[in-house]
Amino acid sequence: GENVEQHPSTLSVQEGDSAVIKCTYSDSASNYFPWYKQELGKRPQLIIDIRSNVGEKKDQRIAVTLNKTAKHFSLHITETQPEDSAVYFCAASMAGGATNKLIFGTGTLLAVQP
Amino acid sequence: DVKVTQSSRYLVKRTGEKVFLECVQDMDHENMFWYRQDPGLGLRLIYFSYDVKMKEKGDIPEGYSVSREKKERFSLILESASTNQTSMYLCASSLMDAPWRGYTFGSGTRLTVV
Repeated sequence: GENVEQHPSTLSVQEGDSAVIKCTYSDSASNYFPWYKQELGKRPQLIIDIRSNVGEKKDQRIAVTLNKTAKHFSLHITETQPEDSAVYFCAASMAGGATNKLIFGTGTLLAVQP
Repeated sequence: DVKVTQSSRYLVKRTGEKVFLECVQDMDHENMFWYRQDPGLGLRLIYFSYDVKMKEKGDIPEGYSVSREKKERFSLILESASTNQTSMYLCASSLMDAPWRGYTFGSGTRLTVV
């Protein structure tokens, strides 16, 4: 079955620096790659996603890149702010099948130091 | 504004008890999922359902069962609770035909088995 690996498990940056989180997936049929942010004590929320027909997608300070050949995708956060501190999860799915079940990575705890 | 509701935020049960975790969504989503979240392990899929009375095993179904008698409700059942089932349980739902809209998660149920 699908497996998603995520690195690093923890990441500490200074406010204003950039943060990069990387994920690799095993199933070459996967075609949908969302990222979720989970603040302390709250539910995970979708922040950005990318589909396999696109190599990069950007939304203000966050961007996601996808390399289908290498089967990896990354989240980039620029000009980090303290409110970016959270756990981030990547996920992969074969969207368009009977279900779109997501397989999640193990999460990255991002700490932005003021 | 809450669209996926989990019946309990915190639950303490004794070893051997039968435990029911309830999840209700009001978005008319076809797909519903149960994950458990443990530090360092991310979100692991227990069971999912893509239609009423339909269910499929996820990656860690042992010790669990599910019930989906109505479209809006998906129940997770721990047949005989054990201490290694102490965890945060997250319910999620999604549209069958629009997986790119991602999951909507519930707030989670933190279950402690003593």
